[in-house]
This record gives sequence, C-alpha cells and structure tokens, in this order.
Amino acid sequence: NAGVTQTPKFRILKIGQSMTLQCTQDMNHNYMYWYRQDPGMGLKLIYYSVGAGITDKGEVPNGYNVSRSTTEDFPLRLELAAPSQTSVYFCASTQDGRPQHFGDGTRLSIL
Amino acid sequence: ELKVEQNPLFLSMQEGKNYTIYCNYSTTSDRLYWYRQDPGKSLESLFVLLSNGAVKQEGRLMASLDTKARLSTLHITAAVHDLSATYFCAVALKAAGNKLTFGGGTRVLVKP
Repeated sequence: NAGVTQTPKFRILKIGQSMTLQCTQDMNHNYMYWYRQDPGMGLKLIYYSVGAGITDKGEVPNGYNVSRSTTEDFPLRLELAAPSQTSVYFCASTQDGRPQHFGDGTRLSIL
Repeated sequence: ELKVEQNPLFLSMQEGKNYTIYCNYSTTSDRLYWYRQDPGKSLESLFVLLSNGAVKQEGRLMASLDTKARLSTLHITAAVHDLSATYFCAVALKAAGNKLTFGGGTRVLVKP
C-alpha cells in the first residue's frame, strides 16, 4: 500500500497563477483532510471531506477550493495564488477515528 | 471554538534526563493524538488516547490523558538524541468529522 500520496512535492508559483495540489489514498478511507503548516507552526485545517461528494470548510479555507468525486482523490485548488499561501501543505486520511495518515507534503512558494 | 495549547514551545534536553510536554485543550473532545515530526518530514502518529486516565507507552515515551483537567502529557524518560523532533498534540471531535485541531508544537533538541 502506498498510503497517502501527494503531488507535486515542490512547486514555485507566481502571484496570480493557479494550480491544483493532488492527493490520493489507497486505504479506502472515507475521511480526508487538507492542512497547511507555516514555518515553526502547527497545522491548520483548510478543508475536509467525510466521503465522496461531501466537503466542508476548515479553519482557513479562504483562497482554496476542493472537490471529492471519488473516495480515493481529494485535490486542493488555488485559484489566484498569493504570497500568504506560501506554506507546506499536507493531505491526510483516516477511518473510524484512527490516527490520520499524512502524505509527505507539498512545499509551495509563491513569489 | 476548540483551542489547543502546548508548552513549552521549545525544550532543550540533556541525554539521560526526564522531561514532560503539556497539552491543554479548551472543550470536551473524543480523542487526543500525539504526533512526531522530523525536520522537513511528514507527521508520524505516536499515540491516540480515548478516555480519562488513559496511558500509552512506547519505548521512552509515555502519554497520558486527564479529561477532567483537559490535559494530556507526553513524558520522555532518559532522553536520547534520536528523540530530537517536534511533537504535536491534536484533539478531535467525532461529531465534527474527526477533524484535528493541533497545538503549536514543542520542538525538542536532545544534547549529548
């Protein structure tokens, strides 16, 4: 099992560009999450999903969008990149209250 | 709004000595988790604590939960260099999609 796979691992964007961060999991987990981690800080929840077709906002959703068309995939979309979105993004999944499995992260810089 | 606070933010340890990290949270929760993060890496699950008085141990790490005080502790026994990392506690509410609210983390540096 690959677990939670995130792509790309690194990306540099220009202000105003758009991109999609990909996340896929092969554990058949219903719950999936997107977090961002700023330097020296804890993780903050951006969006989450409790199953295919269902998404909801987390603590810091502004500037992001998500979709969940399948159980496996939970992409995160940045429409108009801003310097404040420079961060490390983690995708995670879980089932039945077990510890969330985290991907390796996407390091995103916006210049 | 659920808030989770950890202290200290930074802990410089001497090898062989014992230390404790504290995690306070503001409202009743269903589960409390401890994670470890090495620099530039992802998060690794250490413990999940479900009920009042729960205690979990793995090697030199022991975590406990007091739901009445809304406090969890992570105790490090006889610190060794390999334990250098950042430790996060996180609290989940089952009714809120099991989403996690993280503490700010405790950066641990174990010196010889």
